[in-house]
Amino acid sequence: GAVVSQHPSWVICKSGTSVKIECRSLDFQATTMFWYRQFPKQSLMLMATSNEGSKATYEQGVEKDKFLINHASLTLSTLTVTSAHPEDSSFYICSAREAGVTTDTQYFGPGTRLTVL
Amino acid sequence: AQSVTQLGSHVSVSEGALVLLRCNYSSSVPPYLFWYVQYPNQGLQLLLKYTSAATLVKGINGFEAEFKKSETSFHLTKPSAHMSDAAEYFCAVSNQGGGNKLTFGTGTQLKVEL
Repeated sequence: GAVVSQHPSWVICKSGTSVKIECRSLDFQATTMFWYRQFPKQSLMLMATSNEGSKATYEQGVEKDKFLINHASLTLSTLTVTSAHPEDSSFYICSAREAGVTTDTQYFGPGTRLTVL
Repeated sequence: AQSVTQLGSHVSVSEGALVLLRCNYSSSVPPYLFWYVQYPNQGLQLLLKYTSAATLVKGINGFEAEFKKSETSFHLTKPSAHMSDAAEYFCAVSNQGGGNKLTFGTGTQLKVEL
């Protein structure tokens, strides 16, 4: 099946710094990627929808200036957490949409655990 | 607006016993329904999906789910639990196909005991 990778798998940073997380579709092209956030023992909350070549669409309550999303190619989307603070510590998961004539499926990455000190 | 409710945040079964994880949905349009499994510190893996074809959907690892419109339910079952089934299970709904925005339930942690 289709594979989605995320890098890094975990990151620890100091408060006030920025962190970039990459999401790649390894064997298919994804015009749409999604970014989710998951708090410990909770469900996934959609943060934004990333579309290749255009601005991301953010869900209500998500600060677009804090969570910068760039989808520069059909296989790569990045999420940058700017001026990170401890409350941004979370598990961030991306998914990539594979859409074709007979398929329309999201494939999820393994997630990135961010810890802000 | 769409939503899913997963009854029981924790379910414990004995190895070899029936697994039943409950999911009820709310949707103003015919829903697309999904079950995902998440192992610790990993992303989500699709178990199965309902997309308005057969109401009984078979997935991977011996899991299946039945779409019941009258009950607005999409419960996940497996006849015989295995230790490797221990994981977090999420039910999700979309108003379009699986490649579109998903709304997830709060998850059910399945524990399998010897």
